[in-house]
Amino acid sequence: GAVVSQHPSWVICKSGTSVKIECRSLDFQATTMFWYRQFPKQSLMLMATSNEGSKATYEQGVEKDKFLINHASLTLSTLTVTSAHPEDSSFYICSAPPGQEGYNSPLHFGNGTRLTVT
Amino acid sequence: AQSVTQLGSHVSVSEGALVLLRCNYSSSVPPYLFWYVQYPNQGLQLLLKYTTGATLVKGINGFEAEFKKSETSFHLTKPSAHMSDAAEYFCAVSYTGNQFYFGTGTSLTVIP
Repeated sequence: GAVVSQHPSWVICKSGTSVKIECRSLDFQATTMFWYRQFPKQSLMLMATSNEGSKATYEQGVEKDKFLINHASLTLSTLTVTSAHPEDSSFYICSAPPGQEGYNSPLHFGNGTRLTVT
Repeated sequence: AQSVTQLGSHVSVSEGALVLLRCNYSSSVPPYLFWYVQYPNQGLQLLLKYTTGATLVKGINGFEAEFKKSETSFHLTKPSAHMSDAAEYFCAVSYTGNQFYFGTGTSLTVIP
């Protein structure tokens, strides 16, 4: 089945630094990837949709300059949290939509990244 | 607007008891329906999905769900809970394949 690899699985950084999270589709091409943020005991909040070769589409309320998304190739999307602050600490998950598999196929999720900003 | 409602943010069952996690959607057009499970500090894993055909869908780990159009529901069940079933469960719907809507999740606790 389709596999999405997300790296790193956890990261601790100091306030003011930037952190990059990678999301790779291992055995399929993903022209689109979704980035979610999940707070403890809550559902997934869609942050943005990255599109290969074009600008990402951000959801309302998500700071574009803070959460930089780049979809450089058909198998790689990255999320960079710039000038991180403790309130950015969260669980970030990427996923790829069915795409060519068909519209009734499920999302393929990465295993998430636990970000802690000290 | 399309939405997904999961009644009960926390459900506790005894080991061996029936598991019932509720999910309702709100739209006039039946969506594609999914149940995902999430273990701590992990991504989401697909349990089962309904697209077309038989309304009773069987998934992994002994779970199943029944699509009831008249009730706009897609409740998740398992006849006998196991300790390893303790996790967060999310119901999700999709209409276009590129836009998914998630419920708020239900945390399942299994009591030994």
